[in-house]
Amino acid sequence: NAGVTQTPKFQVLKTGQSMTLQCAQDMNHNSMYWYRQDPGMGLRLIYYSASEGTTDKGEVPNGYNVSRLNKREFSLRLESAAPSQTSVYFCASSGPYLASSNQPQHFGDGTRLSIL
Amino acid sequence: ILNVEQSPQSLHVQEGDSTNFTCSFPSSNFYALHWYRWETAKSPEALFVMTLNGDEKKKGRISATLNTKEGYSYLYIKGSQPEDSATYLCAPAYSNSGYALNFGKGTSLLVTP
Repeated sequence: NAGVTQTPKFQVLKTGQSMTLQCAQDMNHNSMYWYRQDPGMGLRLIYYSASEGTTDKGEVPNGYNVSRLNKREFSLRLESAAPSQTSVYFCASSGPYLASSNQPQHFGDGTRLSIL
Repeated sequence: ILNVEQSPQSLHVQEGDSTNFTCSFPSSNFYALHWYRWETAKSPEALFVMTLNGDEKKKGRISATLNTKEGYSYLYIKGSQPEDSATYLCAPAYSNSGYALNFGKGTSLLVTP
């Protein structure tokens, strides 16, 4: 079972470069999420999509954009990478019901991103 | 930014010991409380989702309780094993903030033989 798949697993960027982190789930979940994990900070929500066609800001959205391409895919884009965006990024999904915060989230394996 | 506190920050126990952690959170507009287990070099794995005051959930040697009125949850591990070593995260969700989860910083548990 694939579950939540994130690509790439590792990436090194230079300041100012752009890139898109991809996430896909095969569990027919409605809701998808992007988190970043930094030492001493825990998991912080960047953006989420409660259902296909909707996206909302989380706790730390500045410097990021997202696209809910379809029900399966939710991408995170860094338009102009900054060293402060060095982090481990996790995608998650939950569902299949809407307003699914009473259902567990399933996480991908993470993308380790370094920005020099 | 919600104040979700987990204590202790870290814990070291011997194999066979029982242990418990605390998650404290604001009780106003509470919707659900999640517990996750996060092993090093892996991704977080859901343990429990609880919604009702007084809820108790159990999975094997791990159990959790919830008090929504006072805003806390306890996670218990009975007879800890080395494979229980992980970081345990709690995350409440609220009805007035889009139902998104608000993760605490976790309790790091090390169980030694």
